[in-house]
Amino acid sequence: QITLKESGPTLVKPAQTLTLTCTFSGFSFTTRGMGVGWIRQPPGKALEWLALLYWDDDARYSPSLRSRLTVTKDTSRNHVLLTMTNMDPVDTATYYCARFNSIWPGRYFDFWGLGTLVTVSS
Amino acid sequence: QSVLTQPPSASGTPGQRVTISCSGSTSDIGSNTVNWYQQLPGTAPKLLIYKNNQRPSGVPDRFSGSKSGTSASLAISGLQSEDEADYYCAAWQDSLNGAWVFGGGTKVSVL
Repeated sequence: QITLKESGPTLVKPAQTLTLTCTFSGFSFTTRGMGVGWIRQPPGKALEWLALLYWDDDARYSPSLRSRLTVTKDTSRNHVLLTMTNMDPVDTATYYCARFNSIWPGRYFDFWGLGTLVTVSS
Repeated sequence: QSVLTQPPSASGTPGQRVTISCSGSTSDIGSNTVNWYQQLPGTAPKLLIYKNNQRPSGVPDRFSGSKSGTSASLAISGLQSEDEADYYCAAWQDSLNGAWVFGGGTKVSVL
């Protein structure tokens, strides 16, 4: 059974750095074609892709947020971490992590965590 | 503003067929496959269609996808009350470093 779960602070102050952890189970991150992505959704708005970490440590970031994002992994603990600097109230959103699968056929986020709501406010 | 364009809403009565469009460009839909996600109220998105028209195990066959050029469509036939949800299209965008892009979402209501 494949599961992912996001954890981290629910409230951060403007200008602070946010660190979220995605804890996953049921699949091996070292398998070629696997990855973990981060997607967020402001209240009442659409999904927005943030970052993707591939099995080979290649990382891709949203062009508009690249300067603020870092994604890393701790394979021994089945964790993927997302760090976002200089948080602003517009970053208030539910943050999801999802398994990325590019094993043929296709490329897609096939399993998602429940999400964690992060509010940015002083 | 989302890169992929979807209508904000669609509706139908039970049993009807509803179609949702997703418009992109040559650098995203035109060059790559399209995935669709269903988000029921208050829940996380769920993969509904991948590689334009493939259904993951467990997705009913009344959901179907298609792609032509720089546009894609999701069709729901035999609409049911439990289909009331938000639907998002997504595709990889070929740019300097690449990026996943989503549509703005379409709220499907069952009248």
